[in-house]
Amino acid sequence: EPEVTQTPSHQVTQMGQEVILRCVPISNHLYFYWYRQILGQKVEFLVSFYNNEISEKSEIFDDQFSVERPDGSNFTLKIRSTKLEDSAMYFCASSEEENEKLFFGSGTQLSVL
Amino acid sequence: GESVGLHLPTLSVQEGDNSIINCAYSNSASDYFIWYKQESGKGPQFIIDIRSNMDKRQGQRVTVLLNKTVKHLSLQIAATQPGDSAVYFCAEVGFSGGYQKVTFGTGTKLQVIP
Repeated sequence: EPEVTQTPSHQVTQMGQEVILRCVPISNHLYFYWYRQILGQKVEFLVSFYNNEISEKSEIFDDQFSVERPDGSNFTLKIRSTKLEDSAMYFCASSEEENEKLFFGSGTQLSVL
Repeated sequence: GESVGLHLPTLSVQEGDNSIINCAYSNSASDYFIWYKQESGKGPQFIIDIRSNMDKRQGQRVTVLLNKTVKHLSLQIAATQPGDSAVYFCAEVGFSGGYQKVTFGTGTKLQVIP
């Protein structure tokens, strides 16, 4: 069964450093997303991406965040200058139709020290 | 308001019994709903979905019921198995804050007793 893959599974970084989280969505999917989940809290929407541009973003997704689809398979989330409160599990997801049947990756656990 | 903290509602069920997990959603304009299962250390896994023009949908061992009048969603799992142990949460899809988005609930932890 096709799946969304994310790397790395764990990322530890110093506050102020840049991190790039990587995702390979399911190949025939057209819509891509990043969500995050702070320990013990709800899964929160960050951004959606379609046709090589951001289609929606939440208030969490500020100027420190950016997304990119550098080639036909990868989808990345960059945090320019990490803060302690960015520590969370970051999930990539993809879908054939917008906001329907999202398939999630296993996540990247980001720890900012 | 937002739920913050480490305490999830927990449902303990004997193996072989049926489980019913409930969810109250907030946006009356939501028109599509999804149930996800999340095992420890893994991403949410799609279980079943339902559109607002339906009140019931069945899958393999799972049934979702939608009551739009009281904004309530439930997931029924038949003959619960140990592998069903996980956190289950509903998600609603609708326009909120000017754009269409998926909003996740807090979740219910299902513990299956062998």
